[in-house]
Formats: sequence, C-alpha cells, structure tokens
Amino acid sequence: SQTIHQWPATLVQPVGSPLSLECTVEGTSNPNLYWYRQAAGRGLQLLFYSVGIGQISSEVPQNLSASRPQDRQFILSSKKLLLSDSGFYLCAWSVQNSPLHFGNGTRLTVT
Amino acid sequence: GENVEQHPSTLSVQEGDSAVIKCTYSDSASNYFPWYKQELGKRPQLIIDIRSNVGEKKDQRIAVTLNKTAKHFSLHITETQPEDSAVYFCAASKTNAGKSTFGDGTTLTVKP
Repeated sequence: SQTIHQWPATLVQPVGSPLSLECTVEGTSNPNLYWYRQAAGRGLQLLFYSVGIGQISSEVPQNLSASRPQDRQFILSSKKLLLSDSGFYLCAWSVQNSPLHFGNGTRLTVT
Repeated sequence: GENVEQHPSTLSVQEGDSAVIKCTYSDSASNYFPWYKQELGKRPQLIIDIRSNVGEKKDQRIAVTLNKTAKHFSLHITETQPEDSAVYFCAASKTNAGKSTFGDGTTLTVKP
C-alpha cells in the first residue's frame, strides 16, 4: 500500500533563517507531488506541484521554492523565512484521476 | 483560474439531524469534485468524490450531488454523530485530479 512521510511535525524558526521540509512517498511510482499551505482557520493553498523529477510548477509567487531530486521525494525550501511563512504545510500525492493523499503536515511557526 | 466558494463557513446541528454544505465553482471545464474531512490538527482525508458524468453518489450516511448546469455541488450528511464534527473542504479540478482548487472550509459541530 502507498504511504507518505512528512517531517518534521512541528518547527519553530526565527525570521531570516532557512527552511527545509521533506516529503517521501512509498508504494507508488511517478506520482504527482504537491505542497499545500493552510493558514489558521483557512482553506488549502497550492504552493507547488510536480509531475516528475526536476519538474516543478509554482502556483503563487512567494518566498519559497521546491525541488524533486528523486521520483518519490519532494522538498520545500526557503533561504530566509518571513513571519508570513507561518502555517500548516501539507505534502500530498496523487496519480492520474485519483484524489489527493496528504501527509500528516508540518506546523511551522516563524518567530 | 478556478474559483470555489463554500457555504456556510460554520454549521451547528443536533445529533441525528442532517447537515448540508454547498459549493459553487466557476470553471465549467472542471470535472472532478472531491470532499475532504479534516479533524483538528490532522491532515485532510477524502470522504467522497464525484465526477462530472454522475449527478449523485452515496456512501452510507454521506452523499454528494452535482449540478453541472448551475456549477454547484453539495455534501449531505444524514443522521449526524458527534464524530462527524470536523472541518469539511470541497474542491474542484479538471484533468489532473491533484491540482485542485479548494473552498475555504466549513466547520461542522454536531451537538450530542
């Protein structure tokens, strides 16, 4: 069966520090991979999605970047965090014509 | 791009009553409409979905209806239970089911 791992679960970082969140998927090949952000009490905003290794599409301009160095690995990064980067970050995967499967999320607090 | 509006933002019902959440979408090319349930502090999980070639789908106490002409779809929960309390999100997408646009969510509270 397919599983998705996302870490860390919680993270507190000072403004201006770098960020690296990692997500890996097991049990499926060539998945579509996604990073979503959820602000408190709000919906899910798509940040990045990837249909293959090295292929990244950005949905909104921001202080973040994403990379897909391996088929089942997706990384969200920032060189310098802003206060507005705080939120609940969710990695997800899907295959064609299937729903999203989310990881457990990372709660990021930028202080 | 696609725009999804979801109503109401909060909904409180008595245990055993029905709950209805409605969503409208703007892109007539959207053809896949999932609903996710998110419990506090946890990840969203799919509870039911519908594709544009179907008008209604049921799964035990949960049903979803789709009106393509009016571009709206609804989630119906019957015989609600306290464990149904959560935030529910609708979404719409086309072709690539993962690239979904989400509504802002409905916080459902079921009072015992």
